[in-house]
Amino acid sequence: KAGVTQTPRYLIKTRGQQVTLSCSPISGHRSVSWYQQTPGQGLQFLFEYFSETQRNKGNFPGRFSGRQFSNSRSEMNVSTLELGDSALYLCASKLAGQDTQYFGPGTRLTVL
Amino acid sequence: GDSVTQMEGPVTLSEEAFLTINCTYTATGYPSLFWYVQYPGEGLQLLLKATKADDKGSNKGFEATYRKETTSFHLEKGSVQVSDSAVYFCALGPNTGNQFYFGTGTSLTVIP
Repeated sequence: KAGVTQTPRYLIKTRGQQVTLSCSPISGHRSVSWYQQTPGQGLQFLFEYFSETQRNKGNFPGRFSGRQFSNSRSEMNVSTLELGDSALYLCASKLAGQDTQYFGPGTRLTVL
Repeated sequence: GDSVTQMEGPVTLSEEAFLTINCTYTATGYPSLFWYVQYPGEGLQLLLKATKADDKGSNKGFEATYRKETTSFHLEKGSVQVSDSAVYFCALGPNTGNQFYFGTGTSLTVIP
């Protein structure tokens, strides 16, 4: 079974731009979570989607948003990029009713 | 609220040394506990998990026991290898909500 895939793997943007990252969960997994990983802050929870609905949201500004499609694929969008948004963005999926998350390889976003 | 406290790094060990990475948690219920490992340039991989008190998770020579009385889930390995060099994350699974909680990560470097 294929693992969690994330595209693109690397992105370079400039301040003020917006970006969209994509995540395809493991087949059959309907829960998708997003995390931001930075050297200073560690792994921070952004939000979780289940069956196209946002179930949980972390403490991030409204510039960070996401959505999930009927095939469970998820996208996250960051508008008006800031230098501090440079990070590794990780997506994780899990089966409904199970408690183990499986992570993708991440998208490395650099904001110049 | 629920949280995870993990031993600060970085940790540097010689090959074949004994490894312990401490992890303690705070949780109102009895969620599952996890150790994830992140190799350079990659996402997080599940290393092991334990679902209830006194359970021992094990994988690739690593072990961790779910200790309710000390609220701990310390990671151990009897003889580390250079290939074990990575960042290790302790995590608390969903409890009353659907959110996971991660420790700050411990960087391990094993030198030949």
